[in-house]
Amino acid sequence: EIVLTQSPGTLSLSPGERATLSCRASQSISDNYVSWYQQKPGQAPRLLIYGASTRATGIPDRFSGSGSGTDFTLTISRLEPEDFAVYYCQEYGSSPSYTFGQGTKLEIK
Amino acid sequence: EVQLVESGGGLIEPGGSLRLSCAASGFTFSNAWMSWVRQAPGKGLEWVGRIKSKADGGSLDFAAPVKGRFTISRDDSKDTLYLQMSGLKTEDTAVYFCSKNRGYGFDYWGQGALVTVAS
Repeated sequence: EIVLTQSPGTLSLSPGERATLSCRASQSISDNYVSWYQQKPGQAPRLLIYGASTRATGIPDRFSGSGSGTDFTLTISRLEPEDFAVYYCQEYGSSPSYTFGQGTKLEIK
Repeated sequence: EVQLVESGGGLIEPGGSLRLSCAASGFTFSNAWMSWVRQAPGKGLEWVGRIKSKADGGSLDFAAPVKGRFTISRDDSKDTLYLQMSGLKTEDTAVYFCSKNRGYGFDYWGQGALVTVAS
């Protein structure tokens, strides 16, 4: 079973700054299998990125995903006030199974 | 506009059973693979199980913690997904989200239904 470890646990930044969120897998996974989600308090998650680097419908281009193998990154180029939330990476495994990372909380500094 | 609306949550005693429903609209439900994902209070996301479309065989897959206790079904005539939960444990307490599979992830989510397992 693949384990996804997200870092940092909490990231404190100011609006306008660049955010870099990391997701590391315990073993190599296909790029196609990696997605990223944003979740705000009391809301359902929202798909941001799939296939490691493809933005979902309606997602602003300040959000970008990259990576391969065991290391994947979500980058928010210039933080807007509405971007402060919890972010999860997720991978699809062959069992089949869908595994989420534990999340990174992006908070206002 | 895609909408997924869960219902049926509530308080249930350990060992009990409960069925959640998810009413779908805004897409061709019969063609969709659908999943349930849960989130315990203050915790992260955990995939529960998935049902394929009937055209793709309609097979079911479940996460280890719920295998043998939970099952998923669908009524394509009603555009509705179900999660039947039995043998409930306190650790099953969570918000349960209905979600539409897209490739290897989930592109649409419902607002969630809270299930509390307590005596």
